[in-house]
Amino acid sequence: QKEVEQDPGPLSVPEGAIVSLNCTYSNSAFQYFMWYRQYSRKGPELLMYTYSSGNKEDGRFTAQVDKSSKYISLFIRDSQPSDSATYLCAMSVGSSASKIIFGSGTRLSIRP
Amino acid sequence: GAVVSQHPSRVICKSGTSVKIECRSLDFQATTMFWYRQFPKKSLMLMATSNEGSKATYEQGVEKDKFLINHASLTLSTLTVTSAHPEDSSFYICSAGTGTGGGEQYFGPGTRLTVT
Repeated sequence: QKEVEQDPGPLSVPEGAIVSLNCTYSNSAFQYFMWYRQYSRKGPELLMYTYSSGNKEDGRFTAQVDKSSKYISLFIRDSQPSDSATYLCAMSVGSSASKIIFGSGTRLSIRP
Repeated sequence: GAVVSQHPSRVICKSGTSVKIECRSLDFQATTMFWYRQFPKKSLMLMATSNEGSKATYEQGVEKDKFLINHASLTLSTLTVTSAHPEDSSFYICSAGTGTGGGEQYFGPGTRLTVT
């Protein structure tokens, strides 16, 4: 079993829809949870970062962490074609000097 | 957010030669940087952890003599692919953490290496 599981997709939704992306994990020691967006042939861009359980909102993006269920989510409201990318969940046990464990990434396509 | 740069963005080299890739943290100091490799449509594979002033820590299966890492300052880490072969062709990405927050890391734009 992988430490972090993420559905690779692809996921295709119409413009304006609410997108829900999810990951599950097995290591209860993870404390820091991140979502990265990666466009083709580019480095990952940090979208959201959450410490421990709870919700965090930034514009059209909302990240949720449920440590009791070992489940994290990213919601995108009013999705735009420019949101089409691969979304990677990531988590670590400690500080920024700690290794990050990535999910496999979900390819998202927003249809105009 | 914090900015990490990489140079070059793209390089083509002949089999048997060596290639150096630079990773710089532009607006923060990073005692630890990470090097990843990514194959098309695949997730990132951690190759090694680069520690300023000390030896890098390599992941299992990564040849330390082939992928030389030097972290000479708090803003610069280099990855040298020695005696490159076509199977080393890949997308190499570095990351660094600011150390002031928690577990988040910031990634460079990546370097596409093609070995002919």
